[in-house]
Amino acid sequence: DIQMTQSPSSLSASVGDRVTITCRASQTISSYLNWYQQKPGKAPKLLIYAASSLQNGVPSRFSGSGSGTDFTLTISSLQREDFATYYCQQSYSTLVYTFGQGTKLEIK
Amino acid sequence: EVQLVESGGGLVQPGGSLRLSCAASGFTFSSYAMSWVRQAPGKGLVWVSGVGGSGATTYYADSVKGRFTISRDNSKNTLHLQMNSLRAEDTAIYYCARVTNYHSDYWGQGTLVTVSS
Repeated sequence: DIQMTQSPSSLSASVGDRVTITCRASQTISSYLNWYQQKPGKAPKLLIYAASSLQNGVPSRFSGSGSGTDFTLTISSLQREDFATYYCQQSYSTLVYTFGQGTKLEIK
Repeated sequence: EVQLVESGGGLVQPGGSLRLSCAASGFTFSSYAMSWVRQAPGKGLVWVSGVGGSGATTYYADSVKGRFTISRDNSKNTLHLQMNSLRAEDTAIYYCARVTNYHSDYWGQGTLVTVSS
């Protein structure tokens, strides 16, 4: 199975900061990489799919990049509502879509 | 409006069984693959199982293979997860999610499964 490793596991930042979260796949996955945001007690929300495509309704301060094995999620200017946990997910393996372990973004 | 509503969670003893359901509405159910994802208390998301639109193809995480069975009833717009031989480590919130173009764009609110004696 393809393993996904995110870094860092947690991150403290301030409103207005630029933040980058990285995700590495154990083998090449082309651009089959998605990013989700999850807030406490809520279902995950799709932010980015196919490594860099912004889901409808997601603010443009979110962006994704990468291909192959290394990917990044960038938030250009943190807003208070962005403090949450972020997960990457590979969708290269047919319907075996494994997640990274998550990155908890906290207020500094 | 797309809606996914899970049900069937609850408290079950180790070794027991439970059947989860996910009622779908607002889209042509049979046109989409579906998946189950779980989240243990305070832990991350774990993909559990997926099924193609027709129901003919199914996929499982190694941790549940041989114990869980995913199925769908396209006439009733419903996804199921039959869980047998449950273990304490299966305790989690179980989410169903719609799969489109290799990502999950809609999720249910989740149903809690607790495996404990």
